[in-house]
Amino acid sequence: AQTVTQSQPEMSVQEAETVTLSCTYDTSESDYYLFWYKQPPSRQMILVIRQEAYKQQNATENRFSVNFQKAAKSFSLKISDSQLGDAAMYFCAFAAGGYQKVTFGIGTKLQVIP
Amino acid sequence: SQTIHQWPATLVQPVGSPLSLECTVEGTSNPNLYWYRQAAGRGLQLLFYSVGIGQISSEVPQNLSASRPQDRQFILSSKKLLLSDSGFYLCAWSTVYGYTFGSGTRLTVV
Repeated sequence: AQTVTQSQPEMSVQEAETVTLSCTYDTSESDYYLFWYKQPPSRQMILVIRQEAYKQQNATENRFSVNFQKAAKSFSLKISDSQLGDAAMYFCAFAAGGYQKVTFGIGTKLQVIP
Repeated sequence: SQTIHQWPATLVQPVGSPLSLECTVEGTSNPNLYWYRQAAGRGLQLLFYSVGIGQISSEVPQNLSASRPQDRQFILSSKKLLLSDSGFYLCAWSTVYGYTFGSGTRLTVV
């Protein structure tokens, strides 16, 4: 079974600064995907970024980037130039298998301080 | 475009009453569909998933059931709700690009 661990229940960052959210996972699969989802107060789950395990290059989406360390099974999210709208719960997630069942971490609550 | 609809948004039900939450998707065929529950301050727990009509897999034993009567329709049900069924329920469908979630249903069992 796959597990996803987010060891930071809460994080805070000053507006315009950079913050890194941590995530580790455990799997015996060789082909899988990793995701970061954002859940603002509206509770809508929004895909922030995805990473294919077979790609060595770290994924980036505007101000969001990941540091994917496959051997260490680590998948951290870096948010640059943090904005007030980035305040939310962030979930790390893992997917493998034919039906793409996704396992989520318990989330990290990010606070952005003006 | 591909969209997912989930309703109702909010529901307050007494203990022992039945439940039916509906989820439909548009713009895709033969999607993999999922029901997740998010308890207060917790992560997402996978309840059911379906890879096709009439095909339901349950991840955890519980008071709930799921059905998929049509390709793009996924229903979460209960015959008799328990207090512990309260939570935020999310429907989702998946592609290799990730999950797309519905807007969720906040269920309060009183």
